[in-house]
Amino acid sequence: AQKITQTQPGMFVQEKEAVTLDCTYDTSDQSYGLFWYKQPSSGEMIFLIYQGSYDEQNATEGRYSLNFQKARKSANLVISASQLGDSAMYFCAMSLRNQFYFGTGTSLTVIP
Amino acid sequence: GAGVSQTPSNKVTEKGKYVELRCDPISGHTALYWYRQSLGQGPEFLIYFQGTGAADDSGLPNDRFFAVRPEGSVSTLKIQRTERGDSAVYLCASSLIPGRGVYNEQFFGPGTRLTVL
Repeated sequence: AQKITQTQPGMFVQEKEAVTLDCTYDTSDQSYGLFWYKQPSSGEMIFLIYQGSYDEQNATEGRYSLNFQKARKSANLVISASQLGDSAMYFCAMSLRNQFYFGTGTSLTVIP
Repeated sequence: GAGVSQTPSNKVTEKGKYVELRCDPISGHTALYWYRQSLGQGPEFLIYFQGTGAADDSGLPNDRFFAVRPEGSVSTLKIQRTERGDSAVYLCASSLIPGRGVYNEQFFGPGTRLTVL
């Protein structure tokens, strides 16, 4: 069963605008972590932001914020003031016990 | 400081051959993970090491795949009798906090692109 679902295969955003990348997850565990990673065309996976299941406040890291809605099991990534360098694949992931589960990713293209 | 390194960066082999992929984690990281990423997909978990032992190998697709980490640092992923379907990017990651902690940020290597002809 799919544990992480990213329903947007591709997204476009105008430079300097904000964009939201969707992520929903599936677990009955109470303790888990949610992550977003960026993967540029070079292939490296770059950690962006983390949200723990017990964290009450939404995580923020610079231009990145995670909109955590526990009851809806969603963990959307919001990128503010998009830059051309933000064009990449974005993966939502969940850490659960010993494993990491990744979604299929969203390809973000920032338009000048 | 040095990040996670993986060698080779690219490996082309013929169907039926044996390959070894190497991962050198960040010094001091006790947890090490292997993933496989097929084209257009997210990384798929293969195996997790805590120290020298494989704490979870449930993601290995079949018995042609095996991984070791004999001294608790460098790890080698071994694939026997390679098949065309094994073609993918194999990613390695390491983390400081092992296993069960939810905040186990993983630092990824650049990957090894394996092509089986």
